[in-house]
Amino acid sequence: GAGVSQSPRYKVTKRGQDVTLRCDPISSHATLYWYQQALGQGPEFLTYFNYEAQPDKSGLPSDRFSAERPEGSISTLTIQRTEQRDSAMYRCASSLEPAYEQFFGPGTRLTVL
Amino acid sequence: AQSVTQPDIHITVSEGASLELRCNYSYGATPYLFWYVQSPGQGLQLLLKYFSGDTLVQGIKGFEAEFKRSQSSFNLRKPSVHWSDAAEYFCAVALGGSQGNLIFGKGTKLSVKP
Repeated sequence: GAGVSQSPRYKVTKRGQDVTLRCDPISSHATLYWYQQALGQGPEFLTYFNYEAQPDKSGLPSDRFSAERPEGSISTLTIQRTEQRDSAMYRCASSLEPAYEQFFGPGTRLTVL
Repeated sequence: AQSVTQPDIHITVSEGASLELRCNYSYGATPYLFWYVQSPGQGLQLLLKYFSGDTLVQGIKGFEAEFKRSQSSFNLRKPSVHWSDAAEYFCAVALGGSQGNLIFGKGTKLSVKP
């Protein structure tokens, strides 16, 4: 596609519910990153994929967070049993290869009530 | 641990005035350095990047940044600010190697007075 897209743009959920966020990267890009951005903070790394492989999950805050990219293109980030502290902007970025310039999507604003 | 510091949370400048946003990083080697801009409702847009070579890099929208190894700094500058530059600016470093995830500062919000 022309750029990185994310859906939904806004998500409001109740505490304890599961949510799934979607990222559609630039079609030629091998690498995909997920970041979490709390209000008033810079984005923080969650995890990344190189094609369908997920070499680093070290930034995921807890085992309630998981991500997948089964066919090496679209990726989803799932948060189980959401908590209020999960409220944040979730940003996806893609790059041609690791350590190249990252292109960011518009983000998904998650609010957990 | 690697970190990025943007000491100014909020800066206000008059339109037409010059701008400098500060960024310092903590890392043992020279990282890859980036400045991103975030406008309301938009994704992060890359303004410029430094990987190696000339320490003064030019970016889009008339921005430039200078890498100073001795000060571990990568400050962003613009000679004349336009009202449309009002946004939040993030400095980031990538550790290179095979991964490339970014470590961001907390951002500096820029307001522009008419």
